[in-house]
Amino acid sequence: DAGVTQSPTHLIKTRGQQVTLRCSPKSGHDTVSWYQQALGQGPQFIFQYYEEEERQRGNFPDRFSGHQFPNYSSELNVNALLLGDSALYLCASSPGQVNNEQFFGPGTRLTVL
Amino acid sequence: GQSLEQPSEVTAVEGAIVQMNCTYQTSGFYGLSWYQQHDGGAPTFLSYNALDGLEETGRFSSFLSRSDSYGYLLLQELQMKDSASYFCAVRGGSNYQLIWGAGTKLIIKP
Repeated sequence: DAGVTQSPTHLIKTRGQQVTLRCSPKSGHDTVSWYQQALGQGPQFIFQYYEEEERQRGNFPDRFSGHQFPNYSSELNVNALLLGDSALYLCASSPGQVNNEQFFGPGTRLTVL
Repeated sequence: GQSLEQPSEVTAVEGAIVQMNCTYQTSGFYGLSWYQQHDGGAPTFLSYNALDGLEETGRFSSFLSRSDSYGYLLLQELQMKDSASYFCAVRGGSNYQLIWGAGTKLIIKP
């Protein structure tokens, strides 16, 4: 049983570019949450997708958008990249919106130059 | 506003017991979770407390006092593999989202 997978593992972009990160949830999970984790900090909640709709959103600008597909996989898009967007982006899945145990993927390390 | 406070670093000896604290301030509270994250790894779920008291799972125990807005994670019989960062996270606020602390880095010495 595959756990949560994310791609790519690492990514280098320049300021102003756009990036798309991908996540496949654990088998049997229908809810995907995205987090941004800066070095030495805790994860910051970006948004959560359930039934192909954004259900909750953290304090992130509209440059951050997402999508969930019918197979429950998800994408995180970031437009007009800033240096401060450099971070580890984590995807977590759970069976249902309010399940308190989330399963995390290994993350995508984004570097913006 | 919502905030969580955790000590930045704790040092303990292999085989000993260590307690890592978490205090929180949220507009609504539904429960306190604990996650472990090794360097370069993904966070892994350890425990969840919705009610006051102690929850035990093997060498790990988690405690919650809602009246004090306080919780802690207790690790017994420390092993070198327990060296990691430990995060508390509160499910609360108006939209039920998970708010994370900055984490406590646990350093274990032989």
